[in-house]
Amino acid sequence: DADVTQTPRNRITKTGKRIMLECSQTKGHDRMYWYRQDPGLGLQLIYYSFDVKDINKGEISDGYSVSRQAQAKFSLSLESAIPNQTALYFCATSDAGGRQETQYFGPGTRLLVL
Amino acid sequence: QKEVEQNSGPLSVPEGAIASLNCTYSDRGSQSFFWYRQYSGKSPELIMFIYSNGDKEDGRFTAQLNKASQYVSLLIRDSQPSDSATYLCAVNVHGAGNKLTFGGGTRVLVKP
Repeated sequence: DADVTQTPRNRITKTGKRIMLECSQTKGHDRMYWYRQDPGLGLQLIYYSFDVKDINKGEISDGYSVSRQAQAKFSLSLESAIPNQTALYFCATSDAGGRQETQYFGPGTRLLVL
Repeated sequence: QKEVEQNSGPLSVPEGAIASLNCTYSDRGSQSFFWYRQYSGKSPELIMFIYSNGDKEDGRFTAQLNKASQYVSLLIRDSQPSDSATYLCAVNVHGAGNKLTFGGGTRVLVKP
C-alpha cells in the first residue's frame, strides 16, 4: 500500500464550487505539505503543517484553506474554485531530520475548474 | 530573480552519454539541496540530496555542490531511455523549517 495517498485522483468542478482534496499518510511523519504544480512549472507551496496544532501559509495560500484533522490527515479546500486553480496538486510528508530531512510525495490530484 | 533557477530544456542526450543538469540558487543561507525526478503526470521521487561542498555519488548519479558559486548540479552517467523525465532541483534554507523551494525543472530526453 502507498505510504501517502490522495483522494480524489482526478476531479472536474465548476467555478464557484467548494472542493476538498484529502491526503492521508501511514509513514508516521509529523510534517505535511500541500503543493500545486502548473504545466511546465515547478512546485509551489500552498500550506504546510509541522504538527496537528501548527498550520502555516506557503507562497500561494490565497484562495485555499487547510485542516489538519490528525497526524496522518491533511486536507486542502478551495472555498470557491476558479479556473486558474486548475493544476496538479501534491501532498507531501517529512519527518524532522535536520539537513537530511526528505519530503515524500503522494500520487497527486489533477483538478480541472471549468 | 527566481530563488531557484534551472534551464527548462529539453536536454537531449544520446543513450549511454552523460547528462549534466545545473541549478542555481539565490539565498546564501541555503543548507540542503535535493534532486527529484518526475515522470510526466507522476509525483516527484527523490534521487539524492547533498549538503556539503563537493561531489556525492549514488549509482549512476552524481550531485555536485558549490556553495561559493551558489550552484548545484546533477550528472547522470550512462544515460538510459528510462532516465527521460523532468528533474527538479529543490533547496532548503536553514531555519526555514524545511520548506523546500523548487526550481522549474529540466526536461531530459535520452534518445536510443
